[in-house]
Amino acid sequence: QSVLTQPPSVSGAPGQRVTISCTGSSSNIGAGYDVHWYQQLPGTAPKLLSYGNNNRPSGVPDRFSGSKSGTSGSLAITGLQAEDEADYYCQSYDSSLSGYVFGSGTKVTVL
Amino acid sequence: QVQLQQWGAGMLKPSETLSLTCAVYGGSFSGYYWSWIRQPPGKGLEWIGEINHSGSTNYNPSLKSRVTISVDTSKKQFSLRLSSVTAADTAVYYCARGDGYYDNSGHYFWFDPWGQGTLVTVSS
Repeated sequence: QSVLTQPPSVSGAPGQRVTISCTGSSSNIGAGYDVHWYQQLPGTAPKLLSYGNNNRPSGVPDRFSGSKSGTSGSLAITGLQAEDEADYYCQSYDSSLSGYVFGSGTKVTVL
Repeated sequence: QVQLQQWGAGMLKPSETLSLTCAVYGGSFSGYYWSWIRQPPGKGLEWIGEINHSGSTNYNPSLKSRVTISVDTSKKQFSLRLSSVTAADTAVYYCARGDGYYDNSGHYFWFDPWGQGTLVTVSS
């Protein structure tokens, strides 16, 4: 069972906006540790999508935006495109475990 | 642009030791932490452990008794050994660079880039 909780799936029509939540606790996100997001296309390694709560690496479209509030993080995808169909994972640090933790993963489906 | 290339045995029998190596091409090797992360088939990601250029390590407490991560700075490589494997260790194993910063309260690292992944299957 993952330390960070994500919805198993979200879906939306092309052009729509979807959000993925990442719920943690007082020993990770709530303790002030940053939230990072990854996109994993089928059969490939995860790719960094957002780091430090709300920063985008170069080359990542501005359709992807991260945020953090309290014990949760969130990833928003605006202008949904067919190529956005993938699994998305959040990640943070947990002081109780003294290590990095990942979310359970969310599958995004473009209708 | 930094690239990570990994290799190692893909088929193991129960009780054997998993061994993987990751080479770093381009960019700096020092100044970062280097991690191993795994993903069982159809499941989520699990952090295994990390090492820096001077050999300082941190391990996932759930795997700590079986994991050893080592570094060869001269070759810009780091390696993973996981002993006494079982079927539960069957997974795609990734190496990745940890970027960010740390302080007395913990690590504020994200992982980028990642290696291509190695499927390790444990079966008798």
